[in-house]
Amino acid sequence: KAGVTQTPRYLIKTRGQQVTLSCSPISGHRSVSWYQQTPGQGLQFLFEYFSETQRNKGNFPGRFSGRQFSNSRSEMNVSTLELGDSALYLCASSIAGAEYEQYFGPGTRLTVT
Amino acid sequence: GENVEQHPSTLSVQEGDSAVIKCTYSDSASNYFPWYKQELGKRPQLIIDIRSNVGEKKDQRIAVTLNKTAKHFSLHITETQPEDSAVYFCAAPSRAGGGADGLTFGKGTHLIIQP
Repeated sequence: KAGVTQTPRYLIKTRGQQVTLSCSPISGHRSVSWYQQTPGQGLQFLFEYFSETQRNKGNFPGRFSGRQFSNSRSEMNVSTLELGDSALYLCASSIAGAEYEQYFGPGTRLTVT
Repeated sequence: GENVEQHPSTLSVQEGDSAVIKCTYSDSASNYFPWYKQELGKRPQLIIDIRSNVGEKKDQRIAVTLNKTAKHFSLHITETQPEDSAVYFCAAPSRAGGGADGLTFGKGTHLIIQP
């Protein structure tokens, strides 16, 4: 099976702009979780989607949002970008009933200048 | 919510020696503990996991042990090789009992294999 894919792999944006990142899960995986990885804070949970519904959200401001489509592909959006949003954004997919057994994509490296 | 602490932050061992990384967790109801390996510039890769109904699990040169009473679990790598050099993360469910809260990760251990 193909692994989790994410696009784009690298992105440079300016403060105040918005950005949309995309994630395609492993075929048959219906749960998609998003994480932010930074050197200082490590890996932090953003939110999780299942069957087009956000089931839970981590401790991030409302500028971070997401959605999931009927084919399980997911997008996350960050509005009004801040310098501190520079990070590696990882998505992970899992099968229903084993949501914690997560398989990660390669990530999108976002740089905000 | 869950709190996961991981030690050490850096571990340097001679090639061929063993490496042990330890994690503690706070929620006694947590029942699933994965370990991820992340090489420089690559994605975290699930290398082994353990559920709370067993005390130890092995897969070739890697093993994980779980002590539910003490709320800690450890990753053991034997006969280390240069390709084992990476950052290793432990994790536990952010909220035990439900599948939607993601994983809480330790801060990571940078394992360096000295030739």
